[in-house]
Amino acid sequence: GQNIDQPTEMTATEGAIVQINCTYQTSGFNGLFWYQQHAGEAPTFLSYNVLDGLEEKGRFSSFLSRSKGYSYLLLKELQMKDSASYLCAVMDSNYQLIWGAGTKLIIKP
Amino acid sequence: DGGITQSPKYLFRKEGQNVTLSCEQNLNHDAMYWYRQDPGQGLRLIYYSQIVNDFQKGDIAEGYSVSREKKESFPLTVTSAQKNPTAFYLCASSRPPGQGTDTQYFGPGTRLTVL
Repeated sequence: GQNIDQPTEMTATEGAIVQINCTYQTSGFNGLFWYQQHAGEAPTFLSYNVLDGLEEKGRFSSFLSRSKGYSYLLLKELQMKDSASYLCAVMDSNYQLIWGAGTKLIIKP
Repeated sequence: DGGITQSPKYLFRKEGQNVTLSCEQNLNHDAMYWYRQDPGQGLRLIYYSQIVNDFQKGDIAEGYSVSREKKESFPLTVTSAQKNPTAFYLCASSRPPGQGTDTQYFGPGTRLTVL
């Protein structure tokens, strides 16, 4: 079966750095997406990786290793507004998105 | 401004009633999707459509129906056959899968509660 694993919850301190991991087993691979979702709101797109390596976008970076079935989202200089759930999703060989359950990130002052 | 709209934001329904959730997009996207989100679970695909007048069942289509008569619109009907319909429903759209970055963009969602 297809599976996306990510931690259920993480806690970090304002101003610090946090890394959210995602491992996947899917039927084929056509890219990995990270979304941010604040409570009660819709997911918003953060990043897309299809080749191995690091993609940097401001305070957020995303890394992919296809051989290991592994990705992480790195958030730097954490702000209180970064408190949200972070969703990892993989596009499989049928171009369907397989979603992880999300990681709830709690930022403490 | 281009985007996706869903209405209503909150919806209450009595058991045994059908209800239709609206989804409209002006992003000129061919593909549209309906997901259901429950606490502690990933998004689950209900139906998707890659082109007007065509749609496909997702993983949890039972108890739901859709139509795609216009490119901009993809309404979802939650029928009385859906046994546990209370959930957060999300509509998304994208360029057709396989054509470059197939990023899905989401509407604000509709929270359906069955009383």
